[in-house]
Amino acid sequence: NAGVMQNPRHLVRRRGQEARLRCSPMKGHSHVYWYRQLPEEGLKFMVYLQKENIIDESGMPKERFSAEFPKEGPSILRIQQVVRGDSAAYFCASSPGQGDPYEQYFGPGTRLTVT
Amino acid sequence: AQRVTQPEKLLSVFKGAPVELKCNYSYSGSPELFWYVQYSRQRLQLLLRHISRESIKGFTADLNKGETSFHLKKPFAQEEDSAMYYCALRTGANNLFFGTGTRLTVIP
Repeated sequence: NAGVMQNPRHLVRRRGQEARLRCSPMKGHSHVYWYRQLPEEGLKFMVYLQKENIIDESGMPKERFSAEFPKEGPSILRIQQVVRGDSAAYFCASSPGQGDPYEQYFGPGTRLTVT
Repeated sequence: AQRVTQPEKLLSVFKGAPVELKCNYSYSGSPELFWYVQYSRQRLQLLLRHISRESIKGFTADLNKGETSFHLKKPFAQEEDSAMYYCALRTGANNLFFGTGTRLTVIP
């Protein structure tokens, strides 16, 4: 089991462009979580998805950010019209179920740099 | 609102010395706390959780509700313990709230 995969590992975008971050959960996991880590800060929850459903998006910025987890394929975190403040590390985690005792397994992260 | 505070950004100890990484939390509900670790060039992984009350790699952490703390301790630090440590609070069934992390360096 390769674990949670994220790509790309590094992404550079100019202001105003779109950023697409991909996350493939561990085999057998149907729950995906996205977190953002700004410089000098802890990881902040953004969104929780199950296949074809957004369950909790309370941590998502109201504009420009969206997430999906289609029936087939990876989960996608999409940031439209990126700004410098979007520069951060974005982590994806997956679990086979919800809550305890289901541990969240983390991917290596995608580091987004907006120039 | 929830808060997780890790007051030390950096902590250095000598090999064989005791180590304590501090974590304080603020949460109105019943807290569930975790310690995550990230070794160099590796991904974030769960180290231990308070409900299991186990010792992992010699580390223990006790939830003190009176002091709202969940400090991570190890009596004798090893060089391989050098890593970034994050305290996390489960704030719902779905998500974790992380502290800013403490970078532990064990000096040989």
